[in-house]
Parts: sequence; structure tokens; C-alpha cells
Amino acid sequence: GENVEQHPSTLSVQEGDSAVIKCTYSDSASNYFPWYKQELGKRPQLIIDIRSNVGEKKDQRIAVTLNKTAKHFSLHITETQPEDSAVYFCAASTPSYNQGGKLIFGQGTELSVKP
Amino acid sequence: NAGVTQTPKFRVLKTGQSMTLLCAQDMNHEYMYWYRQDPGMGLRLIHYSVGEGTTAKGEVPDGYNVSRLKKQNFLLGLESAAPSQTSVYFCASKNRVAPGANVLTFGAGSRLTVL
Repeated sequence: GENVEQHPSTLSVQEGDSAVIKCTYSDSASNYFPWYKQELGKRPQLIIDIRSNVGEKKDQRIAVTLNKTAKHFSLHITETQPEDSAVYFCAASTPSYNQGGKLIFGQGTELSVKP
Repeated sequence: NAGVTQTPKFRVLKTGQSMTLLCAQDMNHEYMYWYRQDPGMGLRLIHYSVGEGTTAKGEVPDGYNVSRLKKQNFLLGLESAAPSQTSVYFCASKNRVAPGANVLTFGAGSRLTVL
């Protein structure tokens, strides 16, 4: 089955700096790669996603890149702010007709943005 | 429109006791999932369902059972609770078709402690 590895497990940056989180996946059939943000005590919330037919996607200060050949994808946050502090999860999913399109998550990255 | 509702939010059990977590969604979603979240291990898929009356095993199914007798409800059961099942449990659901076919909607989580 799918296996998703995420690095680093913790990341500390100064406010205004950029943050990069990287993930690798194992199942070449995976075609959907979302990123979730989870604040302390809250439920995970989708912040951005990318499909396998796209190499890069941006949404304001957040961008995701995908390298299908190497089976890795990354989250880039620019101009970080204290409110970006949270745990971030990457995930990979096969199509819905394949095992219900189940999402397999990485281990999470705890991002701390210091003022 | 409540989204995904989990009950109970908190529960303390003694080893060997049984209990059921209830997940209810009012979005007419086909797919439903149960995850557990433990520090440093991300969200791990326990069981999932692609429709009423169907269930399948995820990454960590041992010690759990599930049922999907009604489309809107997905129950997670622990027949004989063990301390290793102390965790935060998240239910999630998604549409089978677009729009939002891949976007998971999470419940608020259920914190279970097994003594």
C-alpha cells in the first residue's frame, strides 16, 4: 500500500523567512496530494492541494510543487507569520475508484514561526 | 448544515471495556473514514467505507470494528480496549464525485484514554 514520508518533523523559522516541508510517496498510482494544517486542539484543515497532472500550484503565500518521476512533493510558505505556526500534514491518494481514494498521511511537521 | 459530527468528544475507559464512537455527516457523502492521531505518527487510517453497507481495512485496523448501516453514519467500535488505543480519533468524509471529490471534511475529534 501507499507509504508517505514527511520531513522535517519540526521546523523553526523567523517571521518573514520561508519554510519548506518535503514529502515522498511510494504508490505511483497516487494522483492527488493535499496539504492540511492543524492548529493545537483543532481538526485538520485543507490549505492547498495538487493533482498529478500539475507540477506547481500557488495560493498567495503558499505553493506546492510535485515531481511525479521522483515521487515527491513539497509545501513552500513564504513571508511566514506567527499565525502560520501549526502542524502541517502532507497526504497522498489514489483515484476514488481505487480503494475508495483513501488518503494516507505523512507524519506531520510542527512549524514554529518566531516573531 | 453541521458537517461531520463525532460523539463523544472525550471518553475514559478501563482496559477491557468496550465502546463505540459515532460519526454522523449531513453532506450526503459516499466515502467515510476513521483515523487515529498519535504524537509523531500523523494520521493513520483505521477503516474506511465507500458506501452504505461496505467497509474496508486501513493501515491499522487491529482491535477495531466498524459498521456503515446508514449512509450518514459510520461507527467505530472497540470490543476490548487496550492502553495502546489511547489516542485522538478523527472521522472524515468526502464526495465520490466533483465538485470537492477529493476534499476530506473532518470531524472535531474524539479523545479516548484507556487506563
